[in-house]
Amino acid sequence: GEDVEQSLFLSVREGDSSVINCTYTDSSSTYLYWYKQEPGAGLQLLTYIFSNMDMKQDQRLTVLLNKKDKHLSLRIADTQTGDSAIYFCASLTNNNAGNMLTFGGGTRLMVKP
Amino acid sequence: DGGITQSPKYLFRKEGQNVTLSCEQNLNHDAMYWYRQDPGQGLRLIYYSQIVNDFQKGDIAEGYSVSREKKESFPLTVTSAQKNPTAFYLCAISDTFRGYTFGSGTRLTVV
Repeated sequence: GEDVEQSLFLSVREGDSSVINCTYTDSSSTYLYWYKQEPGAGLQLLTYIFSNMDMKQDQRLTVLLNKKDKHLSLRIADTQTGDSAIYFCASLTNNNAGNMLTFGGGTRLMVKP
Repeated sequence: DGGITQSPKYLFRKEGQNVTLSCEQNLNHDAMYWYRQDPGQGLRLIYYSQIVNDFQKGDIAEGYSVSREKKESFPLTVTSAQKNPTAFYLCAISDTFRGYTFGSGTRLTVV
């Protein structure tokens, strides 16, 4: 089955750019997603990219997809303290059970003032 | 939470007691999911349902049970067989194009 990996932790200073990386294993992945989780809350969809795209930009967020290397990244420009949260990468694949999302373990982003 | 509601927000369970967590949606989606999240950990799939009256075990189904009698509702029961139930439980619904939409979660604590 699909396996999604992320680094555990990232620390940046306010105003810097943050880059969170993710790798996945299933080349049949159709969509890839980034979710944000703040303390005690559910997961909030930040952005997604279709597997035939290389890049998607949405305000301060830039998603880069290298399908050959099965590598996804999320860049947050001008990182703010409010961006401190856990970020989950997820891959959508289709199997006998239908469409399923496989999540990475999450990257905790800490933004220092 | 975009049409998905989990309740209660906090739940306390005594040893040996069954408790039921509610998940309701009004977005008319077929697929619903239950995940467990432990502190500092990722998400682990407990059960999922792709259609009414049908559900499948996920990776950690032991000690849990579900039902899907109505499209809008997918309750999760944490049974006394679940030896370590203290965790944050998340329900999600699936819109294929946009991935999953999550509820706000239920924090279950054994007292």
